[in-house]
Order: sequence, then structure tokens, then C-alpha cells
Amino acid sequence: SQQGEEDPQALSIQEGENATMNCSYKTSINNLQWYRQNSGRGLVHLILIRSNEREKHSGRLRVTLDTSKKSSSLLITASRAADTASYFCATDAGGTSYGKLTFGQGTILTVHP
Amino acid sequence: DVKVTQSSRYLVKRTGEKVFLECVQDMDHENMFWYRQDPGLGLRLIYFSYDVKMKEKGDIPEGYSVSREKKERFSLILESASTNQTSMYLCATSPLGFSADTQYFGPGTRLTVL
Repeated sequence: SQQGEEDPQALSIQEGENATMNCSYKTSINNLQWYRQNSGRGLVHLILIRSNEREKHSGRLRVTLDTSKKSSSLLITASRAADTASYFCATDAGGTSYGKLTFGQGTILTVHP
Repeated sequence: DVKVTQSSRYLVKRTGEKVFLECVQDMDHENMFWYRQDPGLGLRLIYFSYDVKMKEKGDIPEGYSVSREKKERFSLILESASTNQTSMYLCATSPLGFSADTQYFGPGTRLTVL
């Protein structure tokens, strides 16, 4: 079963607006990561938040983690057309994982100029 | 910067052919992964390797095998390609660590099996 599930599946906004994507997961984790994928390309790492952290910032990105609710959110502020992409959360279930991550199905973000 | 390259961006093969997809990384990472990505299903792990000659099955290994003879190279093999293996294939690497670190992805290979 999917460890990470994103919500919404698709999001359409205007340039300058904020975009919020959510991720829920089922089991305990060591960390949760967010990735971006431009159409037809590989994924690019955005941010990693550890299980003992509640919030993290990177430029226009803000990630929160609520381990009691097993959920995370990614906020992109002042969005730009170049932010149009798919966004995935990925979880590390811990243990002897050999670096394995479990990815969700992704949120497709469209930012209209 | 980590560089992960994949042998082809686009590939068209016929049913029953043996297909090799190669992934090469230049950052001396121990972990390497092969995923396939299909619409609505996200990324699914096929196989991964945490050391030379070591391999572990992921969530969907059926119909695939892998080879890791050198640290920098991880090959995915479709022994007898079938149409349901038409997909985007993504390779990724990460350093060895206690918990999963950032994964670095190649550009992907879009495989079509006719």
C-alpha cells in the first residue's frame, strides 16, 4: 500500500498565490522528503524534514510535519509559472531501510501566468 | 553536483526482446535504485542495491533483474519485454546512512514496448 498519499491530486492557481499540498502516511518514519518533477524529467529533491522537527523553511518553501496525525504539508509562497510541476512526498520508514523511500502518487501543480 | 545519467531518454523495443537500461553515477554513492513511474501510480521501486554485487527486490521485481558489477553502474534488465512494461524508468542514488538521505535522480528513460 502507498505509504505517502498526496492531496489534492491536482491544483491550479494564479501566479502570486500560495500553493499548499498535503501528504499523509501510515507508519512511523525517520524522515519525510518532498521532491519536484518537471514534465517528463527526473525528480529533484526540495526539502527533508526529520521526525523530531515540526517545521522547516527553504526559500519560498515551508514544510510542516505532524507525526501525531502522520501528515505533512508543503507550502509554496508567491508561486511563479516556473513552479508548475508535480510534487511528491516520500517517507523513510526507518530500520534497515538501505535508504529506501516510499513515494506517494503526487500532486500536479499548475501556476497560470 | 551529483550527476546521474541514464543510457537513453527514449527507447522503443519489441515484445520478447531483452532490454538493458543503464544508470551511471559519479558521486561514489553506495545506494542505487530503479523505479518505474506510471500515471496514477506514482513511483514504484523495482530493485535497489546498497553495494557492489548486492541487490534487493523492491515492490515490483517480477519481470526484471539487475546487475551491479561496479559501484558507479546499476543496470536494469528486462529479460523478455512485454507491453505492460511500457513505462518511464527512473534511476536514483543516495549515500549510505542510518536513515534515508536525499535521492538523486537521473533524467529517466521512457520505454515503449510494441
